[in-house]
Amino acid sequence: DIQLTQSPSFVSASVGDRVTITCRAGQDISDYLAWYQQKPGKAPKLLIYAASTLQSGVPSRFSGSGSGTEFTLTVSSLQPEDFATYYCQQLHSYPITFGQGTRLEIK
Amino acid sequence: EVQLVESGGGLVQPGGSLRLSCEASRFTFSRYWMNWVRQAPGKGLEWVANIKHDGIEKYYIDSVRGRFTISRDNAKNSLYLQMNNLRAEDTGVYYCARDIGSGWEFNYWGQGTLVTVSS
Repeated sequence: DIQLTQSPSFVSASVGDRVTITCRAGQDISDYLAWYQQKPGKAPKLLIYAASTLQSGVPSRFSGSGSGTEFTLTVSSLQPEDFATYYCQQLHSYPITFGQGTRLEIK
Repeated sequence: EVQLVESGGGLVQPGGSLRLSCEASRFTFSRYWMNWVRQAPGKGLEWVANIKHDGIEKYYIDSVRGRFTISRDNAKNSLYLQMNNLRAEDTGVYYCARDIGSGWEFNYWGQGTLVTVSS
Protein backbone atom coordinates (compact mmCIF):
# COMPACT_ATOMS: atom_id res chain seq x y z
CA ASP A 1 0.00 0.00 0.00
CA ILE A 2 1.19 3.54 -0.73
CA GLN A 3 1.44 5.56 2.46
CA LEU A 4 0.81 9.29 2.36
CA THR A 5 2.22 11.43 5.15
CA GLN A 6 0.92 14.96 5.57
CA SER A 7 2.72 17.70 7.47
CA PRO A 8 1.93 19.43 9.61
CA SER A 9 -0.97 17.52 11.19
CA PHE A 10 -2.23 20.73 12.74
CA VAL A 11 -1.67 24.37 11.80
CA SER A 12 -2.93 27.52 13.44
CA ALA A 13 -3.09 30.58 11.19
CA SER A 14 -4.81 33.91 10.75
CA VAL A 15 -7.06 35.31 8.04
CA GLY A 16 -4.84 36.61 5.25
CA ASP A 17 -1.95 34.25 6.01
CA ARG A 18 -0.30 32.05 3.40
CA VAL A 19 -0.33 28.39 4.39
CA THR A 20 1.37 25.41 2.79
CA ILE A 21 0.60 21.76 3.53
CA THR A 22 2.93 18.99 2.39
CA CYS A 23 2.04 15.45 1.39
CA ARG A 24 4.79 12.87 0.96
CA ALA A 25 4.16 9.55 -0.78
CA GLY A 26 5.95 6.33 0.12
CA GLN A 27 6.75 5.73 -3.56
CA ASP A 28 6.60 7.55 -6.88
CA ILE A 29 2.97 8.29 -7.75
CA SER A 30 3.65 10.63 -10.70
CA ASP A 31 0.88 13.24 -10.52
CA TYR A 32 -1.90 10.93 -9.33
CA LEU A 33 -2.64 13.09 -6.33
CA ALA A 34 -5.71 15.01 -5.23
CA TRP A 35 -6.49 17.39 -2.38
CA TYR A 36 -9.78 17.61 -0.50
CA GLN A 37 -11.25 19.99 2.06
CA GLN A 38 -13.62 18.72 4.73
CA LYS A 39 -15.65 20.72 7.22
CA PRO A 40 -17.20 19.17 10.34
CA GLY A 41 -20.25 17.05 9.58
CA LYS A 42 -19.86 17.50 5.82
CA ALA A 43 -18.62 15.39 2.96
CA PRO A 44 -15.17 16.17 1.54
CA LYS A 45 -14.87 18.61 -1.34
CA LEU A 46 -12.40 18.14 -4.20
CA LEU A 47 -10.01 21.10 -4.51
CA ILE A 48 -7.12 19.95 -6.70
CA TYR A 49 -6.66 16.94 -8.98
CA ALA A 50 -3.73 15.64 -11.01
CA ALA A 51 -1.51 17.34 -8.41
CA SER A 52 -1.96 20.85 -9.74
CA THR A 53 -5.29 21.23 -11.60
CA LEU A 54 -7.82 23.42 -9.83
CA GLN A 55 -11.28 21.86 -9.71
CA SER A 56 -13.98 23.97 -11.30
CA GLY A 57 -15.49 26.47 -8.88
CA VAL A 58 -12.62 26.35 -6.39
CA PRO A 59 -11.13 29.78 -5.59
CA SER A 60 -7.81 30.57 -7.22
CA ARG A 61 -6.17 31.18 -3.83
CA PHE A 62 -5.83 27.38 -3.68
CA SER A 63 -2.98 25.85 -5.65
CA GLY A 64 -1.23 22.51 -5.82
CA SER A 65 2.21 21.48 -6.98
CA GLY A 66 4.59 18.56 -7.02
CA SER A 67 5.12 15.19 -8.64
CA GLY A 68 6.71 11.90 -7.77
CA THR A 69 6.77 11.71 -3.99
CA GLU A 70 6.41 15.28 -2.72
CA PHE A 71 3.39 17.50 -3.12
CA THR A 72 2.12 20.74 -1.66
CA LEU A 73 -1.21 22.49 -1.24
CA THR A 74 -0.96 26.24 -0.78
CA VAL A 75 -3.63 28.70 0.27
CA SER A 76 -2.31 32.10 -0.70
CA SER A 77 -4.48 34.27 1.56
CA LEU A 78 -6.63 32.46 4.10
CA GLN A 79 -10.30 33.32 4.25
CA PRO A 80 -12.61 32.50 7.19
CA GLU A 81 -14.29 29.72 5.21
CA ASP A 82 -10.94 27.95 4.63
CA PHE A 83 -10.59 26.76 8.21
CA ALA A 84 -11.18 23.03 7.84
CA THR A 85 -9.33 19.72 7.55
CA TYR A 86 -7.40 18.95 4.38
CA TYR A 87 -6.57 15.51 2.98
CA CYS A 88 -4.34 14.37 0.16
CA GLN A 89 -5.26 11.22 -1.80
CA GLN A 90 -3.26 9.03 -4.17
CA LEU A 91 -4.90 7.32 -7.12
CA HIS A 92 -1.77 5.74 -8.62
CA SER A 93 -2.30 2.24 -7.22
CA TYR A 94 -4.83 0.19 -5.35
CA PRO A 95 -5.75 0.51 -2.61
CA ILE A 96 -6.52 4.19 -3.01
CA THR A 97 -5.17 5.88 0.11
CA PHE A 98 -5.56 9.19 1.92
CA GLY A 99 -3.16 11.13 4.08
CA GLN A 100 -3.98 11.39 7.78
CA GLY A 101 -5.28 14.94 7.40
CA THR A 102 -4.14 18.44 8.30
CA ARG A 103 -6.40 20.46 10.56
CA LEU A 104 -6.27 24.19 9.83
CA GLU A 105 -7.54 26.33 12.69
CA ILE A 106 -7.93 30.05 13.30
CA LYS A 107 -5.19 31.59 15.44
CA GLU B 1 -26.66 19.32 -9.99
CA VAL B 2 -25.46 15.76 -9.39
CA GLN B 3 -27.08 14.08 -6.39
CA LEU B 4 -25.95 11.07 -4.40
CA VAL B 5 -28.12 9.95 -1.50
CA GLU B 6 -26.99 7.16 0.80
CA SER B 7 -29.27 5.08 2.99
CA GLY B 8 -29.25 1.85 4.97
CA GLY B 9 -26.99 2.73 7.88
CA GLY B 10 -27.85 1.93 11.46
CA LEU B 11 -26.89 0.05 14.60
CA VAL B 12 -25.87 -3.58 14.19
CA GLN B 13 -24.25 -6.13 16.46
CA PRO B 14 -20.77 -7.51 15.75
CA GLY B 15 -21.06 -10.31 13.23
CA GLY B 16 -24.22 -8.82 11.75
CA SER B 17 -24.98 -7.52 8.26
CA LEU B 18 -26.13 -4.32 6.63
CA ARG B 19 -26.76 -3.26 3.05
CA LEU B 20 -26.02 0.31 2.14
CA SER B 21 -27.57 1.97 -0.91
CA CYS B 22 -26.64 5.07 -2.84
CA GLU B 23 -29.21 6.50 -5.22
CA ALA B 24 -27.76 8.66 -7.97
CA SER B 25 -29.50 11.30 -10.04
CA ARG B 26 -28.88 14.09 -12.53
CA PHE B 27 -26.06 12.36 -14.37
CA THR B 28 -25.60 9.28 -16.55
CA PHE B 29 -24.82 6.80 -13.77
CA SER B 30 -23.75 4.01 -16.12
CA ARG B 31 -20.77 6.02 -17.39
CA TYR B 32 -18.90 6.42 -14.09
CA TRP B 33 -16.83 4.42 -11.63
CA MET B 34 -18.40 4.61 -8.19
CA ASN B 35 -16.75 4.41 -4.78
CA TRP B 36 -17.46 3.86 -1.10
CA VAL B 37 -15.35 5.83 1.37
CA ARG B 38 -15.72 5.65 5.15
CA GLN B 39 -14.73 7.77 8.11
CA ALA B 40 -14.55 6.44 11.66
CA PRO B 41 -15.67 8.92 14.35
CA GLY B 42 -13.07 11.65 14.73
CA LYS B 43 -10.74 9.94 12.24
CA GLY B 44 -9.59 10.40 8.67
CA LEU B 45 -10.93 9.18 5.35
CA GLU B 46 -10.56 5.58 4.23
CA TRP B 47 -11.40 4.33 0.76
CA VAL B 48 -13.34 1.05 0.96
CA ALA B 49 -14.19 -0.17 -2.52
CA ASN B 50 -15.01 0.84 -6.07
CA ILE B 51 -16.75 -0.58 -9.11
CA LYS B 52 -16.41 0.06 -12.80
CA HIS B 53 -19.34 1.44 -14.81
CA ASP B 54 -20.20 -2.04 -16.18
CA GLY B 55 -20.14 -3.62 -12.73
CA ILE B 56 -17.55 -6.24 -13.67
CA GLU B 57 -14.34 -4.76 -12.31
CA LYS B 58 -14.24 -4.23 -8.53
CA TYR B 59 -11.56 -3.38 -6.00
CA TYR B 60 -11.52 -3.51 -2.20
CA ILE B 61 -9.35 -2.51 0.69
CA ASP B 62 -7.82 -5.61 2.31
CA SER B 63 -9.66 -5.20 5.62
CA VAL B 64 -13.09 -5.67 3.99
CA ARG B 65 -12.30 -8.10 1.15
CA GLY B 66 -14.35 -11.26 1.62
CA ARG B 67 -16.80 -9.52 3.97
CA PHE B 68 -18.08 -6.60 1.87
CA THR B 69 -19.46 -6.72 -1.67
CA ILE B 70 -19.89 -3.68 -3.87
CA SER B 71 -22.47 -3.84 -6.64
CA ARG B 72 -24.55 -1.57 -8.84
CA ASP B 73 -27.77 -1.56 -10.79
CA ASN B 74 -27.43 0.85 -13.68
CA ALA B 75 -31.12 0.51 -14.55
CA LYS B 76 -31.97 1.83 -11.09
CA ASN B 77 -29.11 4.35 -10.91
CA SER B 78 -28.05 2.74 -7.66
CA LEU B 79 -24.87 1.64 -5.93
CA TYR B 80 -24.80 -0.86 -3.09
CA LEU B 81 -22.47 -2.11 -0.37
CA GLN B 82 -23.38 -5.42 1.24
CA MET B 83 -21.53 -5.62 4.54
CA ASN B 84 -21.33 -8.99 6.32
CA ASN B 85 -19.57 -10.16 9.47
CA LEU B 86 -19.33 -6.59 10.68
CA ARG B 87 -16.72 -5.60 13.24
CA ALA B 88 -16.48 -2.71 15.69
CA GLU B 89 -13.77 -1.18 13.51
CA ASP B 90 -16.24 -0.89 10.62
CA THR B 91 -18.10 1.81 12.56
CA GLY B 92 -18.24 5.16 10.81
CA VAL B 93 -19.90 7.34 8.24
CA TYR B 94 -20.02 5.72 4.80
CA TYR B 95 -20.00 7.99 1.76
CA CYS B 96 -20.61 7.08 -1.85
CA ALA B 97 -18.58 9.12 -4.30
CA ARG B 98 -18.42 9.50 -8.06
CA ASP B 99 -15.24 9.92 -10.03
CA ILE B 100 -14.50 13.06 -11.98
CA GLY B 101 -14.94 11.37 -15.35
CA SER B 102 -11.65 12.45 -16.85
CA GLY B 103 -9.75 10.90 -13.95
CA TRP B 104 -10.12 8.86 -10.80
CA GLU B 105 -10.64 11.66 -8.31
CA PHE B 106 -13.94 11.98 -6.45
CA ASN B 107 -15.75 15.19 -7.31
CA TYR B 108 -19.23 14.30 -6.09
CA TRP B 109 -20.05 12.84 -2.69
CA GLY B 110 -23.23 11.91 -0.88
CA GLN B 111 -24.08 13.19 2.58
CA GLY B 112 -23.07 9.91 4.21
CA THR B 113 -24.85 7.26 6.26
CA LEU B 114 -23.75 6.23 9.76
CA VAL B 115 -22.97 2.60 10.52
CA THR B 116 -22.49 1.67 14.18
CA VAL B 117 -21.29 -1.81 15.07
CA SER B 118 -21.77 -2.41 18.76
CA SER B 119 -23.29 -4.89 21.16
